[in-house]
Amino acid sequence: GQNIDQPTEMTATEGAIVQINCTYQTSGFNGLFWYQQHAGEAPTFLSYNVLDGLEEKGRFSSFLSRSKGYSYLLLKELQMKDSASYLCAVTTDSWGKLQFGAGTQVVVTP
Amino acid sequence: DSGVTQTPKHLITATGQRVTLRCSPRSGDLSVYWYQQSLDQGLQFLIQYYNGEERAKGNILERFSAQQFPDLHSELNLSSLELGDSALYFCASSVGTVDPYEQYFGPGTRLTVT
Repeated sequence: GQNIDQPTEMTATEGAIVQINCTYQTSGFNGLFWYQQHAGEAPTFLSYNVLDGLEEKGRFSSFLSRSKGYSYLLLKELQMKDSASYLCAVTTDSWGKLQFGAGTQVVVTP
Repeated sequence: DSGVTQTPKHLITATGQRVTLRCSPRSGDLSVYWYQQSLDQGLQFLIQYYNGEERAKGNILERFSAQQFPDLHSELNLSSLELGDSALYFCASSVGTVDPYEQYFGPGTRLTVT
């Protein structure tokens, strides 16, 4: 079956760093996405990895290891507005339909 | 603002009824995706259209159907509604050519079935 696992919740302090792990087992792989979703709002795109390695984008970085079926999203210099759900999603075909993990709720405390 | 529009924003209806959700993709995007997000199931892919043709189907119930029109807007039809259909329905669009591209999500339609 298809499985995308990520922790349910993480708490961190403002200014700190948090790493959200995602492991996946899917039939086929054509890329991994990270999305941020605030409660009741639409998911917004953060990053895309298709090759092994680290992609850096400002305060956010994402890493992929295809052989291990593993990715992480690193959030640096946490701000209160980063409190949100972070969704790991895998696409297995060239048309891009996304299979989402359940999401990790990140709570940033003062 | 992602550039994807969805109407209506909220919909309250009774069990057994039929509703239509509408989505307009970003200008230039040919692919439209529909997702359902409920508290217990998370974000689930329903169906994808590319330039008017159905391309992929997920866990979409037979009571649900969709289409994409020549002007590229899409409609999701939900019939014989049940309480369990209450959810947030998102439409997303992308350029949708050979490689997977970033999907832009609309603001969603919150459906409440009573």
